[in-house]
Amino acid sequence: AQSVTQLGSHVSVSEGALVLLRCNYSSSVPPYLFWYVQYPNQGLQLLLKYTSAATLVKGINGFEAEFKKSETSFHLTKPSAHMSDAAEYFCAVSEGNQAGTALIFGKGTTLSVSS
Amino acid sequence: NAGVMQNPRHLVRRRGQEARLRCSPMKGHSHVYWYRQLPEEGLKFMVYLQKENIIDESGMPKERFSAEFPKEGPSILRIQQVVRGDSAAYFCASSPPNRGGHTGELFFGEGSRLTVL
Repeated sequence: AQSVTQLGSHVSVSEGALVLLRCNYSSSVPPYLFWYVQYPNQGLQLLLKYTSAATLVKGINGFEAEFKKSETSFHLTKPSAHMSDAAEYFCAVSEGNQAGTALIFGKGTTLSVSS
Repeated sequence: NAGVMQNPRHLVRRRGQEARLRCSPMKGHSHVYWYRQLPEEGLKFMVYLQKENIIDESGMPKERFSAEFPKEGPSILRIQQVVRGDSAAYFCASSPPNRGGHTGELFFGEGSRLTVL
């Protein structure tokens, strides 16, 4: 069965510092992996996705993630945090790209950015 | 294109009442998913529907919860005889039909926040 573990429910960084949000997955087949962001009282917005092409994936707002099969990881990074990056981030996995394949989410990591 | 539309955004019910949450998928999408979000627990899959069919309801509680996606109109998540533990944010997502190029992501609405008094 698929599962996702996000290490650290809260991460705090200073503005301009590196952002690193960790995600490890478990899947019996080559996975599709996603990072979503949720701002307060809003829905989830896709940041980036890995779909078996390039292992380094670039997304919106300067975020990127690297798929490492040997480590079963898909950590999210951003070189320099902005105040506007403060939000909750969710890693998700699915075992295919077929419509109808539900995503399995991690519990989320809340990112705080201080000035 | 309009995104996934959910209403109401906020709903308050007293214990024992019924809650109905509606979701209109993105234009051209024929697959709908419902998720529940509780604090500190992330999003939990509840049910996946296509028009007039429930495909996977493995995440739905066995009692009081039901979902439908009729031929015409929005998908509805119905919770009967609500209890305080049902208080949560309920998110609907949609995806396009099965065809080449779909990369598996889901498109989410802004959620319906249910408060049970």
